[in-house]
Amino acid sequence: DAGVTQSPTHLIKTRGQQVTLRCSPKSGHDTVSWYQQALGQGPQFIFQYYEEEERQRGNFPDRFSGHQFPNYSSELNVNALLLGDSALYLCASSSITDTQYFGPGTRLTVL
Amino acid sequence: GQQLNQSPQSMFIQEGEDVSMNCTSSSIFNTWLWYKQDPGEGPVLLIALYKAGELTSNGRLTAQFGITRKDSFLNISASIPSDVGIYFCAGPGLTSNTGKLIFGQGTTLQVKP
Repeated sequence: DAGVTQSPTHLIKTRGQQVTLRCSPKSGHDTVSWYQQALGQGPQFIFQYYEEEERQRGNFPDRFSGHQFPNYSSELNVNALLLGDSALYLCASSSITDTQYFGPGTRLTVL
Repeated sequence: GQQLNQSPQSMFIQEGEDVSMNCTSSSIFNTWLWYKQDPGEGPVLLIALYKAGELTSNGRLTAQFGITRKDSFLNISASIPSDVGIYFCAGPGLTSNTGKLIFGQGTTLQVKP
């Protein structure tokens, strides 16, 4: 039974570019949450998707957007990248009966 | 807003020693989760607590949900080198038990063989 998977594992972009990160949830999970983790910090909630809609959002600008597909997989898009967007981006999946399990993350470096 | 405070911030112990770390909040949490994160990896769920006063074990790990619902602790017995990592407590925000998780700042554990 595959857990949460994310791609790519690493990514290097330059300021002003756009990036798309991908996540496949754990089998049986229908909800996907995205978190940003800066070095030395705990993960910070970006948003959560359920039934292909954004259900809850943290304190992140509109440059951060997402999408959930009918198979429950999800994408995180970040536009107009800033140096401060460099971080580990974590995807977590869950269901009404199961708590959040995290993927290995995507390390984004913005130069 | 809701915040979780973890202590200690870091620990350096000898292999075989027991470890205790805790997490406190000024507001009530209905669920407490403990995760471990290795460098460059995502957090791995260790223990989930759903009821005030609950004491749950997972191998050498034991965690308790404080009776006031404002704290939780995690104990590791007979530590081994692979226990090295960052331990995070987390809990759901007030709006939903299935929504965003709020994380503490983490306790970094180092184990000397």
